[in-house]
Amino acid sequence: EAQVTQNPRYLITVTGKKLTVTCSQNMNHEYMSWYRQDPGLGLRQIYYSMNVEVTDKGDVPEGYKVSRKEKRNFPLILESPSPNQTSLYFCASSLIGRPSKGSRYGYTFGSGTRLTVV
Amino acid sequence: DQQVKQNSPSLSVQEGRISILNCDYTNSMFDYFLWYKKYPAEGPTFLISISSIKDKNEDGRFTVFLNKSAKHLSLHIVPSQPGDSAVYFCAASGTGFQKLVFGTGTRLLVSP
Repeated sequence: EAQVTQNPRYLITVTGKKLTVTCSQNMNHEYMSWYRQDPGLGLRQIYYSMNVEVTDKGDVPEGYKVSRKEKRNFPLILESPSPNQTSLYFCASSLIGRPSKGSRYGYTFGSGTRLTVV
Repeated sequence: DQQVKQNSPSLSVQEGRISILNCDYTNSMFDYFLWYKKYPAEGPTFLISISSIKDKNEDGRFTVFLNKSAKHLSLHIVPSQPGDSAVYFCAASGTGFQKLVFGTGTRLLVSP
């Protein structure tokens, strides 16, 4: 089954304790991205990757790191989490980052990781 | 700067009636628009899309309309069903954008 798998689904941690949220896709997609969803703000992009070893900042990258050492994996790293990073996080993948005219390209999303930083 | 806006946080509709969800955008470089549906505890899933070369796209009960001059798109669901109750996000993409830009979402509740 084609899917994006995120782990863990739920995580409660304390301020300053490093954590990693994993993301893996089995569709051989070039493009992967992390979004966070917050009430009233919708989905905002944190980081994205166009291919292996190619990553770039999204709209809200502060406090996050990513790596893309393999095509299928795109972990999100919080080196020193803070309470304002409490959010619902989604990993997404796509053949390409920008949907083309006339195509039905969209993103395939993971099921989400609900992170609480106390 | 919210480039894609969904001004209605919520919408309630009776089963069998039409649901109309609206989305406005500000960037004229956007040329492709999508709607995603999100159930609780799940990730968003692709619903329907439209290219800027069209003004309408249908897929079963779902139709998306695009008004480029007004920078406005809408999603029509006819007839609405209780299973359509979810949060709906519109998203846009365009030249120079290596990502989808999402709106804030509209929570649709379809009551029996």
